[in-house]
Amino acid sequence: QVQLKESGPGLVQPSETLSLTCTVSGFSLTSNSVHWVRQPPGKGLEWMGIIRSGGSTDYNSALKSRLSISRDTSKSQVFLKMNSLQTEDTAIYYCTRQWYYWGQGVMVTVSS
Amino acid sequence: DIQMTQSPSFLSATVGDRVTINCKASQNINKYLNWYQQKLGEAPKRLIYNTNSLQTGIPSRFSGSGSGTDYTLTISSLQPEDVATYFCLQHNSGYTFGAGTKLELK
Repeated sequence: QVQLKESGPGLVQPSETLSLTCTVSGFSLTSNSVHWVRQPPGKGLEWMGIIRSGGSTDYNSALKSRLSISRDTSKSQVFLKMNSLQTEDTAIYYCTRQWYYWGQGVMVTVSS
Repeated sequence: DIQMTQSPSFLSATVGDRVTINCKASQNINKYLNWYQQKLGEAPKRLIYNTNSLQTGIPSRFSGSGSGTDYTLTISSLQPEDVATYFCLQHNSGYTFGAGTKLELK
């Protein structure tokens, strides 16, 4: 069945770079788009970006200068990298396919 | 960018009540509007897609309506298990979530 699972460090220092991985199963990344979404504690959801089946990407304009999404189709993995992290980047980060299948999310805290 | 204004932000209702949650887009989103339910500690669950299509497995007391810039999620008879936060998502031009409605039992 379709599954997505996010992984990455739970704690990141301010000004450093966040690297997250979304490992998927039950479908091919060459036939499906994957989005990244984040949710600060107690707040709403924010779309971060998408990597499409063909490999093209689009980003939230507010994050575009700091964000990069890529993938390794052979490993069924999608990667998120975001630099210059600040405390306001503390959030649960989710990957989702087609806005229906979601990962469990990974909590990332930005703190020294 | 399209902005989504969701209301109310908080809602308290009694079991059996009819509940409505609204999302207003800053421009026409051509019915490309999904509704999600999120319970504490869980990922969002899609209830409705493209304004009024009920996701498989979702109870029929949930329904969606709307067009243009104005959209509504209706719960026809509130059940205790419906306590959650609800979000809308427009996917007509880019992707934008509403700020959420926290639904509690009175």
